[in-house]
Amino acid sequence: SAVISQKPSRDICQRGTSLTIQCQVDSQVTMMFWYRQQPGQSLTLIATANQGSEATYESGFVIDKFPISRPNLTFSTLTVSNMSPEDSSIYLCSATASRIQYFGAGTRLSVL
Amino acid sequence: QKEVEQDPGPLSVPEGAIVSLNCTYSNSAFQYFMWYRQYSRKGPELLMYTYSSGNKEDGRFTAQVDKSSKYISLFIRDSQPSDSATYLCAGYNFNKFYFGSGTKLNVKP
Repeated sequence: SAVISQKPSRDICQRGTSLTIQCQVDSQVTMMFWYRQQPGQSLTLIATANQGSEATYESGFVIDKFPISRPNLTFSTLTVSNMSPEDSSIYLCSATASRIQYFGAGTRLSVL
Repeated sequence: QKEVEQDPGPLSVPEGAIVSLNCTYSNSAFQYFMWYRQYSRKGPELLMYTYSSGNKEDGRFTAQVDKSSKYISLFIRDSQPSDSATYLCAGYNFNKFYFGSGTKLNVKP
């Protein structure tokens, strides 16, 4: 299994600013992902964080808006840039161990 | 058509009832199936995973996969108010995970 620590757990930000979310896994994992979840909705994959190379973004998400870093096999960050109220959501980090996906507790972001 | 379809509910049952949560999927190449439980304001928590057709039991929970009909189920016996949450099913294939939209379950005391 994998235990995932994500921080901050929540934040309230002003329009036009950026927030970086950190994700730490307790073991080396091959794959890490970032999801967004609107209230009452399912998970939307933002991107796959690739170690040592650029992240792979899903349709509708771009690197300029959601830059991702993955410097090693246990850590990743997601930045939400130039935020607007539409970015208010829960952002979830996940990692795969033995082809099973585990999730962090999420970051609840509110943009004013 | 979405890869994984799930009735969003909400599903409301009395305490002690047997709950049946269901998903259908379209991709016959799925290798693994998972069920997650998500409490309000929390991240999804893995409940069970299964590789093949048949049943897998863990305490009060039973996961069932029928690959011939592309149908997966989660049964909860003796449901408790603490089981009130949203339940997400997922399929895995070639390093990608496909999630259902989640079923919200409310177990009334």
